[in-house]
Amino acid sequence: EPEVTQTPSHQVTQMGQEVILRCVPISNHLYFYWYRQILGQKVEFLVSFYNNEISEKSEIFDDQFSVERPDGSNFTLKIRSTKLEDSAMYFCASSGQGWKGAFFGQGTRLTVV
Amino acid sequence: AQRVTQPEKLLSVFKGAPVELKCNYSYSGSPELFWYVQYSRQRLQLLLRHISRESIKGFTADLNKGETSFHLKKPFAQEEDSAMYYCALSGSNTGKLIFGQGTTLQVKP
Repeated sequence: EPEVTQTPSHQVTQMGQEVILRCVPISNHLYFYWYRQILGQKVEFLVSFYNNEISEKSEIFDDQFSVERPDGSNFTLKIRSTKLEDSAMYFCASSGQGWKGAFFGQGTRLTVV
Repeated sequence: AQRVTQPEKLLSVFKGAPVELKCNYSYSGSPELFWYVQYSRQRLQLLLRHISRESIKGFTADLNKGETSFHLKKPFAQEEDSAMYYCALSGSNTGKLIFGQGTTLQVKP
C-alpha cells in the first residue's frame, strides 16, 4: 500500500538555523499538506498546497515558513530561522482527487535547542 | 468558530466492554467528519469518514447534526484497539483538517 514518507524522522537544530523537512507524498495525489503537533497539544494545520501554489495557510504559517514542490515527487517545508517554539512533530499529508481524507506521513520530530 | 472537542483525554475500559469516544464540533456549514487513529509509534491513519457510513475494525460513527456530534462506537473493545483517537473536520475545499485534542483509549485485559 502506498504511503507518505518523511525524512528525517528526527532533526535537532540550533535556534536561528534554517531547516528543511522533506516529504514524498503518495504518487498520484494532487493535494499536499503540512501539520504540526507541539507536545501535549492538538494537531494543527499549517498549509495546503495544490497546483504548485499555496491554497490555504494558517496564522501559524508566517513569513518564516515556506513550502515547495521542487520536482515531481518531493514536497518540502522550510523554516528560515528556527525558534524554540518551533519544536514539534511535523506531519506531511497528501490526498487525491475526490477528497476522501488525507493520508499522513510518520512525522519528523523537530527539536530546536 | 471552527472547533472540534473531544472531552475525554483518556478512556479506559476492559476488553469486551462497549466503547464510545465522544466528539463534538462547531462549524457554520456542512463539514465532513473523520476519525483518525494513531497506534503506538505509528502514523495517523484514517479510520472512518462520515460520508461513507462504513464500519472499520468494528467501529462506527454517526453524524448527528442536531447535537453536532460524531461519536465513535464499538460494541466490544479489543486490546489491539488501544491507541490515540482523533476526531477531525474538514469544511474548506482545500482539504484543511481541524483536529480535536485526541482521546487515548486504553483497553485492559
